[in-house]
Amino acid sequence: DTAVSQTPKYLVTQMGNDKSIKCEQNLGHDTMYWYKQDSKKFLKIMFSYNNKELIINETVPNRFSPKSPDKAHLNLHINSLELGDSAVYFCASSQSGVAKNIQYFGAGTRLSVL
Amino acid sequence: DAKTTQPNSMESNEEEPVHLPCNHSTISGTDYIHWYRQLPSQGPEYVIHGLTSNVNNRMASLAIAEDRKSSTLILHRATLRDAAVYYCILRDLVTQGGSEKLVFGKGTKLTVNP
Repeated sequence: DTAVSQTPKYLVTQMGNDKSIKCEQNLGHDTMYWYKQDSKKFLKIMFSYNNKELIINETVPNRFSPKSPDKAHLNLHINSLELGDSAVYFCASSQSGVAKNIQYFGAGTRLSVL
Repeated sequence: DAKTTQPNSMESNEEEPVHLPCNHSTISGTDYIHWYRQLPSQGPEYVIHGLTSNVNNRMASLAIAEDRKSSTLILHRATLRDAAVYYCILRDLVTQGGSEKLVFGKGTKLTVNP
């Protein structure tokens, strides 16, 4: 069983469209994250949720709206897609309050905006 | 966030040991040293972490300098499957609202030759 799963794996869309990426974790963790990896391979945090509450929002445009219906899911909705949104988006999860606090990552969603 | 410095790339031969260095001269007393790696077309995965003492696990060993201003990730026998980008990351013990972001640098791209 995949611990952190994202769908879809690939997403190709036109500029201006709205799209969503889904993430689910079956590890029982209370914290989930979205990271973005751009074409230069830099990985950067976008959001984190703890127990469905937004904790980190790293100056991401308002067009990006994370939604956490429960602790096991964190979806990312993107409005009015732009060329610069093309990247690989990674979801991750971890358990807070644990010294190790290892983050487990999904396989990524490669978004291409044409 | 405290910063780390790693070589951009390193090469190794299969079945030989690999020593991946990381400098973190501004490390604070509450910073753990974490290592993650990212295999091609996959999400990052946790490798090992430590605070002051050297650490071993099934994947690797972590040697931490006495002054904690540098550390070395040791892969005892590199395999082709170890070819990846290795990230050295400092993480504060004090969490913020239950979640911590990982701040990724450029990492070291390890090439393993057959």
